[in-house]
Amino acid sequence: EVQLVQSGAEVKKPGESLKISCEASGYSFSGYWIAWVRQMPGKGLEWMGIIYPVDSDTRYSPSFQGQVTISADRSISTSYLQWNSLRASDTAIYYCAKVRQGRKDAFDIWGQGTMVIVSS
Amino acid sequence: ETVMTQFPATLSASPGERATLSCRASQSVSDNLAWYQQKPGQAPRLLIYRASTRATGVPARFSGSGSGTEFTLTISSLQSEDFAVYYCQQYNNWPPITFGQGTRLDIK
Repeated sequence: EVQLVQSGAEVKKPGESLKISCEASGYSFSGYWIAWVRQMPGKGLEWMGIIYPVDSDTRYSPSFQGQVTISADRSISTSYLQWNSLRASDTAIYYCAKVRQGRKDAFDIWGQGTMVIVSS
Repeated sequence: ETVMTQFPATLSASPGERATLSCRASQSVSDNLAWYQQKPGQAPRLLIYRASTRATGVPARFSGSGSGTEFTLTISSLQSEDFAVYYCQQYNNWPPITFGQGTRLDIK
């Protein structure tokens, strides 16, 4: 079964760092782009960025460039989303998603989401 | 950035009725358009890609149409499990990939 399993919920304080994960199974991780999507409480979906694990080619939305870092470790079929200094406005659910085929395609498999709460 | 606009924001309908959801792009996205369904507490689920191709396991009552800047998702006969939020997404002009703001489909 093709699936993405994300790390568990996090509660952090403003200014703290965080790295959440997305582990792939059931397909060749290196061969497909992985995207990250934010959903703030009660709001819609926002594309944050995307990575191609085979060469770590990474693209970011202008809204998130410099705010987060997306990475991947092919050896353990896992992608990561990282913050160096969290803000309260980072409170959201974060999803990883697999791109169906190639570079221009829909997201066919989604992780279950990781809830991140940033509060003092 | 390609802005995706969905309408209506909320659609109220009854089981068995036909529902039509619309999505407009601020510039052409060719047929690189997807539709997703999201239920409360769940991750989004891919319904339609390439504007009109149903994803694996998606019932035939869901259909997509359109190209360029105007797209439609039609649910031919609403079932109770179809009441959810629906998002369109363009993946032609990126970065950034962009989503519409969503249409909430409510039970009348």
